[in-house]
Amino acid sequence: DVKVTQSSRYLVKRTGEKVFLECVQDMDHENMFWYRQDPGLGLRLIYFSYDVKMKEKGDIPEGYSVSREKKERFSLILESASTNQTSMYLCASSFSAGRREAYEQYFGPGTRLTVT
Amino acid sequence: EDKVVQSPLSLVVHEGDTVTLNCSYEVTNFRSLLWYKQEKKAPTFLFMLTSSGIEKKSGRLSSILDKKELFSILNITATQTGDSAIYLCAVRGTYKYIFGTGTRLKVLA
Repeated sequence: DVKVTQSSRYLVKRTGEKVFLECVQDMDHENMFWYRQDPGLGLRLIYFSYDVKMKEKGDIPEGYSVSREKKERFSLILESASTNQTSMYLCASSFSAGRREAYEQYFGPGTRLTVT
Repeated sequence: EDKVVQSPLSLVVHEGDTVTLNCSYEVTNFRSLLWYKQEKKAPTFLFMLTSSGIEKKSGRLSSILDKKELFSILNITATQTGDSAIYLCAVRGTYKYIFGTGTRLKVLA
């Protein structure tokens, strides 16, 4: 059974605080992703990683950074939280796309972050 | 720019009705199209489609892909209140998955 876990389900932080969101997967997936989901905007990709210590910017990386020191763990960091970063954050993982195959993406339960 | 567009944005039906959800896309290096169901939590996987014209079925849900016209449909027959959810369509390119904004389905008893 694929498991993607996230460190917190709910989090309340103050403006200016540094926030760490952790994601761990146990399927030996190469690829890991961080999204935020807001009403009417769907899922938007913040960062993704296709290998350990590798990271790529997604569509909305501003205000965020990531860390992938181990294959199973992908952390999202808000260096100085702001109220417009209040959102649902979803982590996901998948195998790499081979030359022909394409693989499903598995999601964690999400972290609802409120920045006051 | 890669994009995935879903329609309708929302839908209200009665139990027993059949619904069709649409997903059109423009994505470079298409690898697959995926459908997810999202209730009050993380999305759960429904289907992955890679080839045109081959229908995938799971119970009352079915989906098909047209790679020439760049769209997919998700059909739900004999809807039930438990089908109420947001249905997300995503297309995988080389690395990234591009999501549509989803269709919010509400099924009334």
